[in-house]
Parts: sequence; structure tokens; C-alpha cells
Amino acid sequence: QVQLVQSGAEVKKPGASVKVSCKASGYTFTSYGISWVRQAPGQGLEWMGWISAYNGNTNYAQKLQGRVTMTTDTSTSTAYMELRSLRSDDTAVYYCARRRGPNDYWGQGTLVTVSS
Amino acid sequence: EIVLTQSPGTLSLSPGERATLSCRASQSVSSSYLAWYQQKPGQAPRLLIYGASSRATGIPDRFSGSGSGTDFTLTISRLEPEDFAVYYCQQYGSSPITFGPGTKVDIK
Repeated sequence: QVQLVQSGAEVKKPGASVKVSCKASGYTFTSYGISWVRQAPGQGLEWMGWISAYNGNTNYAQKLQGRVTMTTDTSTSTAYMELRSLRSDDTAVYYCARRRGPNDYWGQGTLVTVSS
Repeated sequence: EIVLTQSPGTLSLSPGERATLSCRASQSVSSSYLAWYQQKPGQAPRLLIYGASSRATGIPDRFSGSGSGTDFTLTISRLEPEDFAVYYCQQYGSSPITFGPGTKVDIK
């Protein structure tokens, strides 16, 4: 069965970076993309971008351009999302999701807390 | 950027009742690339509907989607206790991909 398993919660100081991993199993990793979506406490869903696991092409949300990098390691079927220059408003649960047009399978989420 | 507006913000209904949720786009959604997700507290979103009207794998047939262009609807024919949750629409036909703000369906 398709599974996306994300890395554990992180606490970071403002200005630091965080890298969240998302290990996929149960399907051919390079046949789909991986999207990243975040959700601030009590708020809605915000699309961050996506990466093709086939060729590494990326498409980032404009507001995060320059601060976010999405990568994949096809040898381990793992996707990564790195966010730099963290601010307090980056505090959120970060989700990876398989991209098949819509997002049909989701990871369990990773809470990233940015606090001094 | 396509802005999605969902209404109502909150829908208070009883089990067994019919729920009708609306999602309106600021411009036409190409090829009806409109999806609906359900999210319960502490859980990841779950895909319900894609392509405006196709049910995702394992989704009960009490969930149905309709619409095209700029107006879309998610209908839950008879609410079950497990259906009380927040529902989001998403357009994935144009970049950037966008989500609506959500409709909360709670127990009356």
C-alpha cells in the first residue's frame, strides 16, 4: 500500500533552516510528483510547491521563492523540503503528498515550531 | 492566481441530513481540475473528489461532486457521524495551485 512517512517534529530558532524528509513506499517513486503543503495552527492549507520525482523539476509558490528548496533521492524514494531563514510565521504542520494531478496520498505531517 | 471562495464558512447539520458545500473560483478552472479534501482534527487531508466529480479510491458514494468553470459543489447525501470535519476545495489546473479557506461541517 502507498505510504508517505515524514520525519519528526522540529523546533528551530528564527533565522535557522529546517529540512523535512518524506519517505515513499508502495509505488514507483519516479512515476509521480511530490507536493508540499503547510498548515499554520488553526488555519487552512497552503500550497508550497512540488517536485517531479522523475526529473527533479520544481515549481515553488512565489512567496517562498528563494527560501525553499525541494529535492528527491530516487535511490531511497525520499523527498526533502528545506526552508531557510525561518520566521515565527513559518510555524506550521508541513505535509508531503503524492501528486497525481490532485494529491491522493499524504504523509502524517511534521510540526515545525519557530521560536526564540 | 485563481482565488477560491468557499461557502458557507460553517454548516451546522444533524446526522442523516444532506450537506451542500460551495466552491467558487475567481476565474475558470481549466479542465475541471478541481478537487475536494476532508480533514479531521490532528489528521492529514484526505482526497474525496478529483476532476470535479470523480470519487477517489475508497470514498463512499454518499459523497458527490459537480460543477464546471467557476462554480463547484460537494454534496454529502446523508451525513454520517464520521463526516463532521473541515472540507477544502483545491484547483490544480493552474499554477500556483490554490486551496479554498474551508467549510466546517459541525453537529447541530
